[in-house]
Amino acid sequence: DAKTTQPPSMDCAEGRAANLPCNHSTISGNEYVYWYRQIHSQGPQYIIHGLKNNETNEMASLIITEDRKSSTLILPHATLRDTAVYYCIVRALGGGYQKVTFGTGTKLQVIP
Amino acid sequence: DTAVSQTPKYLVTQMGNDKSIKCEQNLGHDTMYWYKQDSKKFLKIMFSYNNKELIINETVPNRFSPKSPDKAHLNLHINSLELGDSAVYFCASSLLAEDTQYFGPGTRLTVL
Repeated sequence: DAKTTQPPSMDCAEGRAANLPCNHSTISGNEYVYWYRQIHSQGPQYIIHGLKNNETNEMASLIITEDRKSSTLILPHATLRDTAVYYCIVRALGGGYQKVTFGTGTKLQVIP
Repeated sequence: DTAVSQTPKYLVTQMGNDKSIKCEQNLGHDTMYWYKQDSKKFLKIMFSYNNKELIINETVPNRFSPKSPDKAHLNLHINSLELGDSAVYFCASSLLAEDTQYFGPGTRLTVL
């Protein structure tokens, strides 16, 4: 799996958009970008994933650059409950088991 | 209904004891996993089972023995517990080995 680089921490004001960046400059053509988050003491929660097109679901939007070397997770209206560690992961899909490697993530603090 | 559940939530025990952690998923997934999150918050894959068969063992000591009685359950038995086994253990499942993983709430194991 390609490695990812994320800032260790970020703050965001409640109600504002939280934009979490991730660099994955060595990503391969068949690797997806996945985002998970881990709220304190809970299990990691799947948020969203994408290959090359921008994706949106009820939780967030994922913007992937055209060269796919970086991406941004957007929480459009951050709430206090979004305070968590956010992990950006790249992994291939298909072809059986692919190891999922969690890095150190970005600790997002949403401030009232 | 809880998708991936684990019992117990907390486990405190003495060095040298043997203990088990249970995991159940009601998602109809074929693949289940055990992860360990240590005190530094690194989340690492330990085992993966696909349809009751072991497919991944990530260099875990023999004291750890997973058992899958059916594809909805993956239990983790640990023999001769050591201080270094203290961690949070997460169970996860995915429809197939290459699909999105969904995590349980975790079991916090403390070895005294």
